[in-house]
Amino acid sequence: GAVVSQHPSRVICKSGTSVKIECRSLDFQATTMFWYRQFPKQSLMLMATSNEGSKATYEQGVEKDKFLINHASLTLSTLTVTSAHPEDSSFYICSARGGGVFSNQPQHFGDGTRLSIL
Amino acid sequence: SQKIEQNSEALNIQEGKTATLTCNYTNYSPAYLQWYRQDPGRGPVFLLLIRENEKEKRKERLKVTFDTTLKQSLFHITASQPADSATYLCALDGADSSYKLIFGSGTRLLVRP
Repeated sequence: GAVVSQHPSRVICKSGTSVKIECRSLDFQATTMFWYRQFPKQSLMLMATSNEGSKATYEQGVEKDKFLINHASLTLSTLTVTSAHPEDSSFYICSARGGGVFSNQPQHFGDGTRLSIL
Repeated sequence: SQKIEQNSEALNIQEGKTATLTCNYTNYSPAYLQWYRQDPGRGPVFLLLIRENEKEKRKERLKVTFDTTLKQSLFHITASQPADSATYLCALDGADSSYKLIFGSGTRLLVRP
């Protein structure tokens, strides 16, 4: 089946640090990648959608200057949390999907990154 | 606004029984609905997709129904096993675009040996 690799799995760092999270589709070309945030016992909240070679589309309330997304190739998207603060601590999950922008293909998820800001 | 509801209380059943999880939605008519499994500290894993013109979909011990009149999907696991214990999420395509998914908060299933 489709495999998505997310790295790192866990980050602990000081307030003010910028953190980069990578999401790679290992065995398929991901035309679209999604970034989610999940709080304990809550639903996945979509932060942004990125299509290869174009700017990411951010959901309402998500600061694009705070959460920088780059989708430079069909297999790699990165999320950078800039100048992270304790309130940014969360579980960040990426997903990838092939089949074009309006495809109803399922999303394949990475295993998430647990970000803890001290 | 569109709303997805899954039972927030955990479902606790005996091994071998059939588990049935519910997903209700309002203010929306999705073109398709998906079910995912999520284990603690892991990303969701895709299980089944059902389209609005399909009433039922099966995959091994899994069965999903989609009732667009009731605005409800039921997810069944037959002959449940302790390894089926996890949180199960339903997801619908977004109202403003068919490429985004809106997730429910999930129902935790615990299968006792």
